[in-house]
Amino acid sequence: GAVVSQHPSRVICKSGTSVKIECRSLDFQATTMFWYRQFPKQSLMLMATSNEGSKATYEQGVEKDKFLINHASLTLSTLTVTSAHPEDSSFYICSARKRANEQFFGPGTRLTVL
Amino acid sequence: AQSVTQLGSHVSVSEGALVLLRCNYSSSVPPYLFWYVQYPNQGLQLLLKYTSAATLVKGINGFEAEFKKSETSFHLTKPSAHMSDAAEYFCAVTPSGNTGKLIFGQGTTLQVKP
Repeated sequence: GAVVSQHPSRVICKSGTSVKIECRSLDFQATTMFWYRQFPKQSLMLMATSNEGSKATYEQGVEKDKFLINHASLTLSTLTVTSAHPEDSSFYICSARKRANEQFFGPGTRLTVL
Repeated sequence: AQSVTQLGSHVSVSEGALVLLRCNYSSSVPPYLFWYVQYPNQGLQLLLKYTSAATLVKGINGFEAEFKKSETSFHLTKPSAHMSDAAEYFCAVTPSGNTGKLIFGQGTTLQVKP
C-alpha cells in the first residue's frame, strides 16, 4: 500500500501564533512531497514542492517566509504557518510522490485561525 | 502552460443512471491525466490515470475514462451511479517528464439522488 498521514487533522489557533502540520509517508519513502491549499468548495492549489534534503520550491504568489517547509527525512515533511491570521484558515493537504507521476494524498488538516 | 477545465461544477444523477463528468485539458506535450475523488473533509483518492498507454482507462469503483487527443478530453464515466459515489471529483494534469506537479481542475460535485 501507500499511506500518507497528516497531523493534526484539525487545529484551531489564535491569530499571531504559528502552527506546524506534519505529513508522513507511512510505508514508502518519498523524496518529494507536495503541499496544497484548498478553500471551501474550491479546487486544490499547489503551494510548494518539498524536496528531501533541499529547499522547498514555492509556487508564484506563495510567501515562503509565511509558509515554512522542512523535508527533514524521506518520510516526513512539515509545513509551518507562521504568525497565522484568519485569512490563513483553510484545508491543507499534502501528498507524497512514490514514483514518477504517482502521488498519494494525506487526509488533510483543517486550520482555523481565530 | 498546462491547464484543465471541468465542465459543470455540479452534476446530479439518479441512482442507477449513467455518470458523465467532463474534463478537457490544454497541453503542448502529451500529458498525464488523472481523476481523483474527494469525500467531505478528506484527502484525495486516485480513481484512475492515463499515462500514454491504453486510451481507455479503467479505474476503481467501476469508473473509467477515455483519452481523446483529437478532442483534448478525458471524461469520466460510470455506467450505473451508486449513492456512495456522491463526492467531489477532480481532474488533474501533469506534463510528461515533469517532477510530478499536479494542476487541478475546478472540481465537479456529483450528487446521486435515490
